[in-house]
Amino acid sequence: DAGVIQSPRHEVTEMGQEVTLRCKPISGHDYLFWYRQTMMRGLELLIYFNNNVPIDDSGMPEDRFSAKMPNASFSTLKIQPSEPRDSAVYFCASSLWGAGGNTIYFGEGSWLTVV
Amino acid sequence: DAKTTQPPSMDCAEGRAANLPCNHSTISGNEYVYWYRQIHSQGPQYIIHGLKNNETNEMASLIITEDRKSSTLILPHATLRDTAVYYCIVRRQGGSEKLVFGKGTKLTVNP
Repeated sequence: DAGVIQSPRHEVTEMGQEVTLRCKPISGHDYLFWYRQTMMRGLELLIYFNNNVPIDDSGMPEDRFSAKMPNASFSTLKIQPSEPRDSAVYFCASSLWGAGGNTIYFGEGSWLTVV
Repeated sequence: DAKTTQPPSMDCAEGRAANLPCNHSTISGNEYVYWYRQIHSQGPQYIIHGLKNNETNEMASLIITEDRKSSTLILPHATLRDTAVYYCIVRRQGGSEKLVFGKGTKLTVNP
């Protein structure tokens, strides 16, 4: 089965540029999460969606960050303008709420370096 | 804030059982214990979860104490590929319930 698919896997960009990270959740899943991982702060939840609707964006660091989920099979995390402190690994994850619970499955991450 | 306490690091010999402890003394009755691991440069990988009964799957076993204040993840025959950071997380089962990661335990399996 295809897992959570993220692109790009690696991105190097200059400060001030716009960055768009993409995610395809597991088919049929109704929850989608965006996490960020840095050495200093570990894994942090940025935002999550339920049925394409943003539910909690309290982890989004500032207005430069935005996330969308136009349909059940696609989500984006955009940073505009990017700054060096945004350098991190960004993980997308998805889950399905059902009788068996809602185990969350992660993608392989997008490694972002802002220079 | 993470509600669990784990040792920062552990070592294990290849082929032996790895027993990773986790304390969660403030766990609520409706909270499950989840274990994930993160191999270097990869996304977190789900291992196992449980409420109060011991659980076993193809990857590991989860032993939860009767008072549910602590648990142990057991990898029965550790291999070099099990070297990773292991996270113990308590979480309710609701769809909106988040995974809050702590610092985890860095397990090193030695040849």
